Amino acid sequence: AQSVSQHNHHVILSEAASLELGCNYSYGGTVNLFWYVQYPGQHLQLLLKYFSGDPLVKGIKGFEAEFIKSKFSFNLRKPSVQWSDTAEYFCAVTPGSGGYQKVTFGIGTKLQVIP
Amino acid sequence: GAGVSQSPSNKVTEKGKDVELRCDPISGHTALYWYRQRLGQGLEFLIYFQGNSAPDKSGLPSDRFSAERTGESVSTLTIQRTQQEDSAVYLCASSGGLAGINEQYFGPGTRLTVT
Repeated sequence: AQSVSQHNHHVILSEAASLELGCNYSYGGTVNLFWYVQYPGQHLQLLLKYFSGDPLVKGIKGFEAEFIKSKFSFNLRKPSVQWSDTAEYFCAVTPGSGGYQKVTFGIGTKLQVIP
Repeated sequence: GAGVSQSPSNKVTEKGKDVELRCDPISGHTALYWYRQRLGQGLEFLIYFQGNSAPDKSGLPSDRFSAERTGESVSTLTIQRTQQEDSAVYLCASSGGLAGINEQYFGPGTRLTVT
């Protein structure tokens, strides 16, 4: 069974700082990877996803993530955060072999951006 | 509807009582998922519906938990004889196809407190 680790549970940054949130997964085969975000008072929503192809994936609001297969990682990055990026971020993984596959979520990282 | 809706938004119940949580998925979405999020923890998968059948119930924590779905519409999650450890936010998500491939659209959740 797959698992996901998010090492930073709470991150505090000043506006304009660069962001990198770590995500590591454990699964031996091909994977599909996701980052979901939950803004205060809002629903969880998809930020970006990786299925195949270019390992550098770009999502909404200037976020990107890089899939590094050798490191089993899918870290989320943003060069310059804004106060509006304050939210909780969840990494998720599912086996990429097709058919129904359970999506496994990480524990989440709370990001607080200080104006 | 425009998005996934859940009711009630908050539920406080006494230990030992039964509770029923409702999820209305996005119209036309064949797949429906229930998750549980305990305080300080990630999303825990409970059950997956494809149409009105549940091919994966592996996440239901005990036989006190059950769920059903009417066609490709409303789903209810029932918890019998609630315990304090059942306190959590229960999230419902729907997708147009398999969650491993398609984006999941989440509802706002039901916050359950068992006293």
